[in-house]
Amino acid sequence: AQSVTQPDIHITVSEGASLELRCNYSYGATPYLFWYVQSPGQGLQLLLKYFSGDTLVQGIKGFEAEFKRSQSSFNLRKPSVHWSDAAEYFCAVGFGTASKLTFGTGTRLQVTL
Amino acid sequence: GAVVSQHPSRVICKSGTSVKIECRSLDFQATTMFWYRQFPKKSLMLMATSNEGSKATYEQGVEKDKFLINHASLTLSTLTVTSAHPEDSSFYICSASKRDSLTLQFFGPGTRLTVL
Repeated sequence: AQSVTQPDIHITVSEGASLELRCNYSYGATPYLFWYVQSPGQGLQLLLKYFSGDTLVQGIKGFEAEFKRSQSSFNLRKPSVHWSDAAEYFCAVGFGTASKLTFGTGTRLQVTL
Repeated sequence: GAVVSQHPSRVICKSGTSVKIECRSLDFQATTMFWYRQFPKKSLMLMATSNEGSKATYEQGVEKDKFLINHASLTLSTLTVTSAHPEDSSFYICSASKRDSLTLQFFGPGTRLTVL
């Protein structure tokens, strides 16, 4: 069965530091890949997505992610974190022509000043 | 564009009563709508997928008689939690996708259900 792994449950970084959130998936073919952010008590906001083409994807709020087929990974990065980036981040994958998404367990980002 | 709303944002009900949650796509036609449940500090669990005018497809382990889903129009889907119990307390999130982009889902802000 397909699965999505976010190995880091909780990450703390200082404001201004760089950030990398990890995401790995398990599936035979290339999936559609997404990163979402969720603030407390809120719905999900799409940060970026990968369907095909250039494996380095730019998103909103200065985020980017790189799809690495050989590692089955889609890690999220930001060169300089802002305090407002503190939130829960979810990696999600869609497979084939079906539109269902499978979500990772999420990574909670804490930003210290 | 691609805004999805949910109503109510928060609801408290007594055990044994039924609660209806609405999910609307405000500026597009939603071919497919999805309902998720999120437990505290947990990921989103897909409950069911609904296509306009068709019966919803429920994920394994989700009781279709307890969680009634109706997708009567291209802009509205409803989730009714019947005979709610405290264990049904959760954060329910809907999402919607367009006909020309089925793999991209737009999420609503969620509904916090508390069953006393």
